[in-house]
Amino acid sequence: DGGITQSPKYLFRKEGQNVTLSCEQNLNHDAMYWYRQDPGQGLRLIYYSQIVNDFQKGDIAEGYSVSREKKESFPLTVTSAQKNPTAFYLCASSQLGPVNTEAFFGQGTRLTVV
Amino acid sequence: AQTVTQSQPEMSVQEAETVTLSCTYDTSENNYYLFWYKQPPSRQMILVIRQEAYKQQNATENRFSVNFQKAAKSFSLKISDSQLGDTAMYFCAFKGGGSEKLVFGKGTKLTVNP
Repeated sequence: DGGITQSPKYLFRKEGQNVTLSCEQNLNHDAMYWYRQDPGQGLRLIYYSQIVNDFQKGDIAEGYSVSREKKESFPLTVTSAQKNPTAFYLCASSQLGPVNTEAFFGQGTRLTVV
Repeated sequence: AQTVTQSQPEMSVQEAETVTLSCTYDTSENNYYLFWYKQPPSRQMILVIRQEAYKQQNATENRFSVNFQKAAKSFSLKISDSQLGDTAMYFCAFKGGGSEKLVFGKGTKLTVNP
């Protein structure tokens, strides 16, 4: 089945550690996105990528890093520089415009700092 | 920069009645796409409806329809014959025609009461 897969579903991290969230899609989409969701804040864009080996900062990129070495994969690293990393993280992908531009989402990763 | 504003943090409606969720956006682009997404308690994001800015006709999907006012930069969602399963967070989203940047509002929590 085609889709977008995030792993793990739950992740615990000690303060001061880096952690990487996985996002894989087999939809042959060019664009991929990472969002952070906090109560009352909606979905805030962290990074997005339109093509392999290229990505752009979103609205809250500080403390995060990404890579796009393969079309199918867009991992997100939450670094120790991120001061408040506990949140729900969503990955999405979409075709480039002008048609069928809606984003498809993974099931999310809940990250908790302990 | 594009921004999306949802002015109603929470709304409620009686089963079988109609409810309208508001969304406004700000952009200097002429070609873009607008979306409404639903996020039930499972937290899986589901596309409800989409609208291309170049189309004057309002999009409809069964019980869901939009009122797209391009000059006013308004994109409201109307849910007719509300059902208990419509209870969810609803997010309005904007995607530029050239940048592929997908931006979301803060969401409206809709509760359908029996």
